[in-house]
Amino acid sequence: NAGVMQNPRHLVRRRGQEARLRCSPMKGHSHVYWYRQLPEEGLKFMVYLQKENIIDESGMPKERFSAEFPKEGPSILRIQQVVRGDSAAYFCASSPPGTGLANYGYTFGSGTRLTVV
Amino acid sequence: SQQGEEDPQALSIQEGENATMNCSYKTSINNLQWYRQNSGRGLVHLILIRSNEREKHSGRLRVTLDTSKKSSSLLITASRAADTASYFCATPYNTDKLIFGTGTRLQVFP
Repeated sequence: NAGVMQNPRHLVRRRGQEARLRCSPMKGHSHVYWYRQLPEEGLKFMVYLQKENIIDESGMPKERFSAEFPKEGPSILRIQQVVRGDSAAYFCASSPPGTGLANYGYTFGSGTRLTVV
Repeated sequence: SQQGEEDPQALSIQEGENATMNCSYKTSINNLQWYRQNSGRGLVHLILIRSNEREKHSGRLRVTLDTSKKSSSLLITASRAADTASYFCATPYNTDKLIFGTGTRLQVFP
């Protein structure tokens, strides 16, 4: 049973380009969470999605960032017109339906390290 | 900010010694979780302790929780070089997100 798969592992973009980060949840998991980690810091929540629904995007910057989790395929975190401050590690986690953080921890992917040059 | 604080920020010990990391948080919680992050990798869930529990063990890990002080500690006994990593505490917020602490970087020297 493969874990949470993220790709690419490393992504380099020039300022102004678009970055697309992909996350395939564990088999049977229908909830996906995206977190961002700046250097030397803990993870910060960005967005929580279920299939075809954004449940909570309170941690997502209002501009340039968007996320989706279509019925088929991976979840995508999209950053338009990237700036140097977007350089960070972006982690995805997944959980099965019907569970909550009251009883379970997350399963995280290995992350995508975005570098904006 | 809801983010917890961890101390120490960095800890260096020799193999075989015990490592203790502390975490403080700000709001009332349902549970508290500890994660490990090896350099350049994702986070691995280590242990979850519920608010009605005071202590929990898993292998060489021992976690305590003091809800009156809003604090938790993670003890790694008989540390190994492979325990070298960053350790984060995290608490659920609004049922669907985790608030992470700032982390403790542990270095275990052979």
